[in-house]
Amino acid sequence: GQQLNQSPQSMFIQEGEDVSMNCTSSSIFNTWLWYKQDPGEGPVLLIALYKAGELTSNGRLTAQFGITRKDSFLNISASIPSDVGIYFCAGQNQGGSEKLVFGKGTKLTVNP
Amino acid sequence: GAVVSQHPSWVICKSGTSVKIECRSLDFQATTMFWYRQFPKQSLMLMATSNEGSKATYEQGVEKDKFLINHASLTLSTLTVTSAHPEDSSFYICSAREWGTAPYGQYFGPGTRLTVT
Repeated sequence: GQQLNQSPQSMFIQEGEDVSMNCTSSSIFNTWLWYKQDPGEGPVLLIALYKAGELTSNGRLTAQFGITRKDSFLNISASIPSDVGIYFCAGQNQGGSEKLVFGKGTKLTVNP
Repeated sequence: GAVVSQHPSWVICKSGTSVKIECRSLDFQATTMFWYRQFPKQSLMLMATSNEGSKATYEQGVEKDKFLINHASLTLSTLTVTSAHPEDSSFYICSAREWGTAPYGQYFGPGTRLTVT
C-alpha cells in the first residue's frame, strides 16, 4: 500500500529554536494534513493543505503542500516546551477515498 | 467545534470477554467515522471505515468478526472487540468527518487504552 516517508524520526532542540520536518510519498495526494499527538491522547489537527503549492500558517506553525503533490513540510518557529510531542503527516488519496495514510511520526523534544 | 469523544478512555478486561468502545461526534454530524489502532511508538493503523446506516469497510487483514463496528446514528459509532486476547491490547482511536464539508480534515477522539489480561 501507499506509504509516507516522514523525517526526521526524532529531534532534540533547545527552546527558541526553529524546527522543520517533512513527508514524502511515491504517489500523489490531493490533501496533506499535519497532526500533533501527546502521550495517551488522540491526534490533534494542526494544519490542512488542499492545493499544490499552498503555504498555510497557524500561529508559529507553517506548512506547505509540495508542487509535485508528493511532499509536504511543517515548520515550527521559536519552539517552546509545550511543542513536545509526536507530529504526524497524513495524506489523502487522490482517488477520492476519505482514508488517510499516515507517516511514522516525528518525535520532538524541546529542552528548556 | 469538531469535538470527538470516546468512551471509555481506558478499559481492562479478561481474555475471552468482549469490550465495546463508543465514538461520538459531540457538535457535528458524522456520516463517516474511522477506527484506528496504534501500538506503542508506532503510527496509526486504519482498521475500518464506518458509514452511518451501512456496513463498515474493513482494511485488509482486519477480522470483521472480531472487530464489530456499528454506526447507528450520525453521531455515534461503536467498536466491539469480541473474545479479546492479550494481543488485542492496544490504543484504539476513532476519527470523524463532518457531514457537509469537503472530504478532508478528520477529527480524532482522545483514544481508548485496552488492556486484555
